[in-house]
Amino acid sequence: QSALTQPRSVSGSPGQSVTISCTGTSSDVGGYTYVSWYQQHPRKAPKLMVYDVSERPSGAPDRFSGSKSGNTASLTISGLQAEDEADYYCCSYAGGYTVIFGGGTKLTVL
Amino acid sequence: EVQLAESGGGLVQPGWSLRLSCAASGFSFAGHAMHWVRQAPGKGLEWVSGISGNSDLIGYADSVKGRFIISRDNAKNSLYLQMNSLRAEDTALYYCAKVIKRGWFLSAFDVWGQGTMVTVAS
Repeated sequence: QSALTQPRSVSGSPGQSVTISCTGTSSDVGGYTYVSWYQQHPRKAPKLMVYDVSERPSGAPDRFSGSKSGNTASLTISGLQAEDEADYYCCSYAGGYTVIFGGGTKLTVL
Repeated sequence: EVQLAESGGGLVQPGWSLRLSCAASGFSFAGHAMHWVRQAPGKGLEWVSGISGNSDLIGYADSVKGRFIISRDNAKNSLYLQMNSLRAEDTALYYCAKVIKRGWFLSAFDVWGQGTMVTVAS
């Protein structure tokens, strides 16, 4: 159960778009549509931003979108805002009633 | 309002046991799978364990299998995590989380508690 692979950090200027990748295997990301993304601000609980690869829960801005190709899922944040600066984690079902998270990506808004 | 509130954390010595609880309110608890996710200080999220609404499906991370036991009491709207043979590497903030889709073991976690801190040290 190795963590899904995410870049340690990404950055962008306000108004720009950034994409965070999440690479797994055919046993997790590539094998299921249960990929989700979470935003976590310091000392706060995680917040769901995207689920089932590309669905947005109520409360998540439409600037956040998700996709998947093969064993890699991606989260794109368009029209970056200062409040988007946070840590982001991907998550996938991994079969056998197990779940796996990515190592996390720190987003810096320049 | 949908809420989750964890309790039971604390400071324990290696090898000791601890039982965490998560009180749920504001939704049909029995209809949703529930999970425990932990976060070591300064580290990322790590899934620990999950349980379906009627307790027929249960999963554990390899790192806790054989030491931790997840359970739930739907009559009390409560989720539990019995942690045995605790190790220093179990030190973390433990969150309980609700699965967004009714009846599914996992789709995603749409509601999280604020966490309860477990510290394992001598």
